[in-house]
Amino acid sequence: QVQLQESGPGLVKPSETLSLTCTVSGGSISSYYWSWIRQPPGKGLEWIGYIYYSGSTNYNPSLKSRVTISVDTSKNQFSLKLSSVTAADTAVYYCARHVPYYYDSSGYYRTGGWFDPWGQGTLVTVSS
Amino acid sequence: DIQMTQSPSSLSASVGDRVTITCRASQGISNYLAWYQQKPGKVPKLLIYAASTLQSGVPSRFSGSGSGTDFTLTISSLQPEDVATYYCQKYNSAPITFGQGTRLEIK
Repeated sequence: QVQLQESGPGLVKPSETLSLTCTVSGGSISSYYWSWIRQPPGKGLEWIGYIYYSGSTNYNPSLKSRVTISVDTSKNQFSLKLSSVTAADTAVYYCARHVPYYYDSSGYYRTGGWFDPWGQGTLVTVSS
Repeated sequence: DIQMTQSPSSLSASVGDRVTITCRASQGISNYLAWYQQKPGKVPKLLIYAASTLQSGVPSRFSGSGSGTDFTLTISSLQPEDVATYYCQKYNSAPITFGQGTRLEIK
């Protein structure tokens, strides 16, 4: 089955750019949407944005000015860049497959939007 | 943006109890709601999508209901392995948002 694995530096200095990559294995990155989600220590989940394998994106407005998500289909990877980081960006960063649609029990096409599966997550600390 | 509010924020129940967690949307979202379980130190796991459809492999003691603005996640008979934080997530439109979470403990 599809598995995701995040990679990247665990420590980033304030004002610099956080860069992470998610490698998809066990399936093709094509024909799906792929998301980044983060979770500050001890807090809840925040959706960052998603990308379609074609390259189209949708970002959380709260982060849009600082976020870039890109995809490399040849490597079965997608990436996150978050610029001008502060301590408030310290979090576990997850990549996940964003399921855009499904077929219900009657065989009808239905709109999806949940996340499954998820990567194991990687803690990124912003500190000098 | 549509806000998702869960209640209670935490609860403690005994093994075998019926447990209900509520998620309320600030605007109607039809049935575009998912529930996740996150055990301590683990990755969130999808339990339910489309408000009431059980994800494959999830125990049948979990169920979801609701539509519009009010939704519930029910555990029919609480088990020790159900200790976790539960999150709802709406996906009718961007931005996708999660509830703040409900921490479930065993009494």
